[in-house]
Amino acid sequence: EAGVAQSPRYKIIEKRQSVAFWCNPISGHATLYWYQQILGQGPKLLIQFQNNGVVDDSQLPKDRFSAERLKGVDSTLKIQPAKLEDSAVYLCASSLTRGHYNEQFFGPGTRLTVL
Amino acid sequence: AQKITQTQPGMFVQEKEAVTLDCTYDTSDQSYGLFWYKQPSSGEMIFLIYQGSYDEQNATEGRYSLNFQKARKSANLVISASQLGDSAMYFCAMPLSGTSYGKLTFGQGTILTVHP
Repeated sequence: EAGVAQSPRYKIIEKRQSVAFWCNPISGHATLYWYQQILGQGPKLLIQFQNNGVVDDSQLPKDRFSAERLKGVDSTLKIQPAKLEDSAVYLCASSLTRGHYNEQFFGPGTRLTVL
Repeated sequence: AQKITQTQPGMFVQEKEAVTLDCTYDTSDQSYGLFWYKQPSSGEMIFLIYQGSYDEQNATEGRYSLNFQKARKSANLVISASQLGDSAMYFCAMPLSGTSYGKLTFGQGTILTVHP
């Protein structure tokens, strides 16, 4: 089965510019996650979707970050405007559903550099 | 709140030898799970092994096994017969409960280097 797809793989922008990342989860997976991984740290959840509804966005900086999951499949994460501290790898993951026992499958990530 | 701690920033092992990566956790839940993920330099997080708190036996997946000690709240990953391709960052993770049900909280990670 196809894995989680993400694009672009790399992005370099100037601070105050906007950027968008795209994720296509594994077919049939109801739950989709966006994580931010700063160099040298473990990933941190930004937002969690169940189908097309937001379950948890408590750690999403809502003044500059936004995310949507139209039709409960693909998802887009946007940063507007970007700051230097947003430089990180943005990982998308999906699982069949929410739960303690549902393995999350991760995409290859998008490495963002903000200059 | 749940917390995962990995105290080894880096580990070195000779090819074909075994290595143990430490993970301790803190939770007040009675039922919980623990995951280990591998992250090579390419960046993708690869699932390795899962342990449920009520599983009677320690989890094993090929060369990976979990040394699960519930009373000590530790879930150490053991990699047997290390290979050069095992060089990567390794993360221990735990799904949260409550309103953040399913969300993973990760440890700081351990960089493993396998020498030929």
